[in-house]
Amino acid sequence: ILNVEQSPQSLHVQEGDSTNFTCSFPSSNFYALHWYRWETAKSPEALFVMTLNGDEKKKGRISATLNTKEGYSYLYIKGSQPEDSATYLCALNTGNQFYFGTGTSLTVIP
Amino acid sequence: NAGVTQTPKFQVLKTGQSMTLQCAQDMNHNSMYWYRQDPGMGLRLIYYSASEGTTDKGEVPNGYNVSRLNKREFSLRLESAAPSQTSVYFCASSVHRSSGYTFGSGTRLTVV
Repeated sequence: ILNVEQSPQSLHVQEGDSTNFTCSFPSSNFYALHWYRWETAKSPEALFVMTLNGDEKKKGRISATLNTKEGYSYLYIKGSQPEDSATYLCALNTGNQFYFGTGTSLTVIP
Repeated sequence: NAGVTQTPKFQVLKTGQSMTLQCAQDMNHNSMYWYRQDPGMGLRLIYYSASEGTTDKGEVPNGYNVSRLNKREFSLRLESAAPSQTSVYFCASSVHRSSGYTFGSGTRLTVV
């Protein structure tokens, strides 16, 4: 069992603010790092899959970076909107199994 | 294209009752998974099936059994439900074990 940690656990920001949160993982068991967006009462939806150290992915106002050597990934949201409110999950893919963090719950206040 | 379909969406069981959660995917994915989601914990893997005809235990398999009926369907059975199995259950599928998941909408199970 591998420990994937996400911080902060929850976050409240004003509409228009930019924000970021962290996923930390044991760097020695790395195959890929996945980010998911999970809205209340729905199922998780894939955001990014990152495999290479220094990877940076972007989808609209959301972007993510990866540092496999030190074992962390950042997710950034620029100019947060109320529709960005969700839990953001990261998952470490070891090639054999996924290990999920507990998520960062983001609330964007209009 | 329905993706991953789980049934039922909600279920209440009495302790000791049995039930089967159904999962089907129409994306021709090879791998399928059952997870449970509990407050304050990340998604935990119960069982997975890397390919049709194979199943393996995940992190929390006790009290559950699975069947990979064919490439499309992967069911989860609780033989004798316990209150500790009260949870939200998610089925997921992927092209192969190292690719991203598509999740079902979840089954909220309460065991009283």
